[in-house]
Amino acid sequence: ETGVTQSPTHLIKTRGQQVTLRCSSQSGHNTVSWYQQALGQGPQFIFQYYREEENGRGNFPPRFSGLQFPNYSSELNVNALELDDSALYLCASSLGGQSSYEQYFGPGTRLTVT
Amino acid sequence: AQSVTQLDSQVPVFEEAPVELRCNYSSSVSVYLFWYVQYPNQGLQLLLKYLSGSTLVKGINGFEAEFNKSQTSFHLRKPSVHISDTAEYFCAVSFNDMRFGAGTRLTVKP
Repeated sequence: ETGVTQSPTHLIKTRGQQVTLRCSSQSGHNTVSWYQQALGQGPQFIFQYYREEENGRGNFPPRFSGLQFPNYSSELNVNALELDDSALYLCASSLGGQSSYEQYFGPGTRLTVT
Repeated sequence: AQSVTQLDSQVPVFEEAPVELRCNYSSSVSVYLFWYVQYPNQGLQLLLKYLSGSTLVKGINGFEAEFNKSQTSFHLRKPSVHISDTAEYFCAVSFNDMRFGAGTRLTVKP
């Protein structure tokens, strides 16, 4: 059984560019949640995908968008990057879209915007 | 809306001493409560969770937490810490989405 994987590990982008981050969920899991963790802060919920549909969204602007594929892997897209988007982006998978289910986190993608 | 407050940003403690990391939450509805640990350059690992039932929850690595509904708290404890417990600890509350506290940096000194 493979765990949650994320790619790339690190990424450097310039302000105004667009970025795509990828996440492969744990085997058997149909739900993926994305979080942004700024330096020295706790993770902030961006959105969740359950069976390929958005199943909840945090307080993030529309330039943060996502996709979930039939194999339940997921992408996070961020357009018009801003300096404040620099953070660790965490993906977590779970079985089912219920809030009680344990989430398994990947190692994260460190995004730096210059 | 749900929110989480971790009362200590840093907790230094000597090896083999007991430790308590404090977490208060606010919510107008019943929620689920979690503690996660994050080691440097890694993702989050679940330590324990409270969904319902017994208010004393036991987790991995010798940690336990007690849910106190009247005080809206979910403090994490360990009777004897090791150097390897040095990490960032996050309390989280879940209803429609998961909300994390700002974290407590536990540093275990020899």
